[in-house]
Amino acid sequence: IAGITQAPTSQILAAGRRMTLRCTQDMRHNAMYWYRQDLGLGLRLIHYSNTAGTTGKGEVPDGYSVSRANTDDFPLTLASAVPSQTSVYFCASSDQGEYNEQFFGPGTRLTVL
Amino acid sequence: GQNIDQPTEMTATEGAIVQINCTYQTSGFNGLFWYQQHAGEAPTFLSYNVLDGLEEKGRFSSFLSRSKGYSYLLLKELQMKDSASYLCAVISNDYKLSFGAGTTVTVRA
Repeated sequence: IAGITQAPTSQILAAGRRMTLRCTQDMRHNAMYWYRQDLGLGLRLIHYSNTAGTTGKGEVPDGYSVSRANTDDFPLTLASAVPSQTSVYFCASSDQGEYNEQFFGPGTRLTVL
Repeated sequence: GQNIDQPTEMTATEGAIVQINCTYQTSGFNGLFWYQQHAGEAPTFLSYNVLDGLEEKGRFSSFLSRSKGYSYLLLKELQMKDSASYLCAVISNDYKLSFGAGTTVTVRA
């Protein structure tokens, strides 16, 4: 079934630890995105990639890094987690163009203690 | 920067109509999306407007006025399953989406 998957579903992490959230899509979309969603703030863009091999910073990039080695995968890494990074993280993908509906993964609920 | 405003919460009765307004001020405009998000789930696409006017899709309709920086989502014949958050999002010239904080709609019997 075509779509976008994320792993893990949820994670509790000690502050200072390194964590990588995984995202994979099989729709051959060019663009991929990472958002965090916090109560009252809506979805905020962390990093994005318009095509394999390129990445860019979104609205809230500090403390996060991404890579885009191929079309399908777009991992998000927290090098040293802090409690303020407790959030729900959504990965999304889209074809870029005049109409680029974004398809969202199921999300990863991350708690940093 | 981007500024997208929508009401925080709305409550309506089953079978009624609810209109969710969204106003925006963004750098560039390439269209406006409405997404539905049930609690604990991912956002799912509802509608897309890039030209002024009304787009109707079953019980849901979306309206756009680019000159006023305004959109609304109209939900008709409300059902209990329509209880969810509704997210207004604007796509800018660089094809990045900026989201409003979302409107939580509660449908009561």
